[in-house]
Amino acid sequence: DAGVIQSPRHEVTEMGQEVTLRCKPISGHDYLFWYRQTMMRGLELLIYFNNNVPIDDSGMPEDRFSAKMPNASFSTLKIQPSEPRDSAVYFCASSFMPGDYGYTFGSGTRLTVV
Amino acid sequence: GESVGLHLPTLSVQEGDNSIINCAYSNSASDYFIWYKQESGKGPQFIIDIRSNMDKRQGQRVTVLLNKTVKHLSLQIAATQPGDSAVYFCAETGTSYDKVIFGPGTSLSVIP
Repeated sequence: DAGVIQSPRHEVTEMGQEVTLRCKPISGHDYLFWYRQTMMRGLELLIYFNNNVPIDDSGMPEDRFSAKMPNASFSTLKIQPSEPRDSAVYFCASSFMPGDYGYTFGSGTRLTVV
Repeated sequence: GESVGLHLPTLSVQEGDNSIINCAYSNSASDYFIWYKQESGKGPQFIIDIRSNMDKRQGQRVTVLLNKTVKHLSLQIAATQPGDSAVYFCAETGTSYDKVIFGPGTSLSVIP
């Protein structure tokens, strides 16, 4: 398996623009997580899905953030409109059973909003 | 609320020495604990895990110790190598089995 695949690896955008981050989880993993990592806040859980259904989105900063999982092999995290404070590394992770096996993380998308 | 915290945010060790990274957790109901390693420019990578019914688990050059009495977790790395330089996170399941809660991380720097 190729692991969790995220795209793009780097994204630079202007304030106010829409940004879409993409994730392909490991086949067979029922859970998918979106995290944001910054120096100030560390790893923050934004939202997670189980069997394509959003379970907990309490970590989503505000209405500018939205996430979807239309099928078992694809998820998106969208920011509209983007702001400089959204600059961070965004990780996607997937798991068969988090409480038994933890997560497998993707390589992340480094987002810079100027 | 639930939290996982680290005693030492940074740690520098000489190559060949043993490293010990510590972690305090707050939820006595946590059943499962994981250590992750994050190298620069990469996502966190699973190193080793331990369940609450154990107090020690060993892997290749790594050992995790769990002290439930004082809610303390540690990661020991034997004969530390330059490739071990990274940020290390401890994580716990807390009250939910669906997700894990990450601590703030400890940066390990290996001096050649």
